[in-house]
Amino acid sequence: GDSVIQMQGQVTLSENDFLFINCTYSTTGYPTLFWYVQYSGEGPQLLLQVTTANNKGSSRGFEATYDKGTTSFHLQKTSVQEIDSAVYYCAMRGTSGGNYKPTFGKGTSLVVHP
Amino acid sequence: EAAVTQSPRNKVAVTGGKVTLSCNQTNNHNNMYWYRQDTGHGLRLIHYSYGAGSTEKGDIPDGYKASRPSQENFSLILELATPSQTSVYFCASGDAGGGTEVFFGKGTRLTVV
Repeated sequence: GDSVIQMQGQVTLSENDFLFINCTYSTTGYPTLFWYVQYSGEGPQLLLQVTTANNKGSSRGFEATYDKGTTSFHLQKTSVQEIDSAVYYCAMRGTSGGNYKPTFGKGTSLVVHP
Repeated sequence: EAAVTQSPRNKVAVTGGKVTLSCNQTNNHNNMYWYRQDTGHGLRLIHYSYGAGSTEKGDIPDGYKASRPSQENFSLILELATPSQTSVYFCASGDAGGGTEVFFGKGTRLTVV
């Protein structure tokens, strides 16, 4: 079945540090990949998405890259700020064969200290 | 902007009681989903629907039922609530096509005592 593996459960950084979160996926075909962010007391919301057509996406200073060869995708930001403290989820959604259910990783809790 | 509204936002239920969580979306999306969120497990899919009248089992359906009476509304039903169902529940909606995002509600915090 489909799966998304997000190994880093918690990441603690200082302001201006570099952020890197990696996910691997398993499915048939070439899915669309997403990064969602969840702030305290809110539901997850889309941060950015990446498709096989472009391999990269960026939003609010975050960048995601998709590697079909290793079936992995990662999220990075050069210089994190305290306001980036949140839970980040990687997710995928198939684009063929009726496999449209979103599948989420377990989430990475990012804590950024000032 | 896409809107998904969940009610209630907080609920305390007794063991063995019936609980209904409601979700309404104004996006005219065909697909709707119910997830539960627990520390260490992330978001796990309970039930989903492709449209009015349809419900499908997700990855962890045991102990839950779902109902989709209309395009806009999708309910999650716990017929006999247990303390293990204490969690935060999220409803989401999305287009039928796969390459698009889903939109989440703010969640319902359920405590079963």
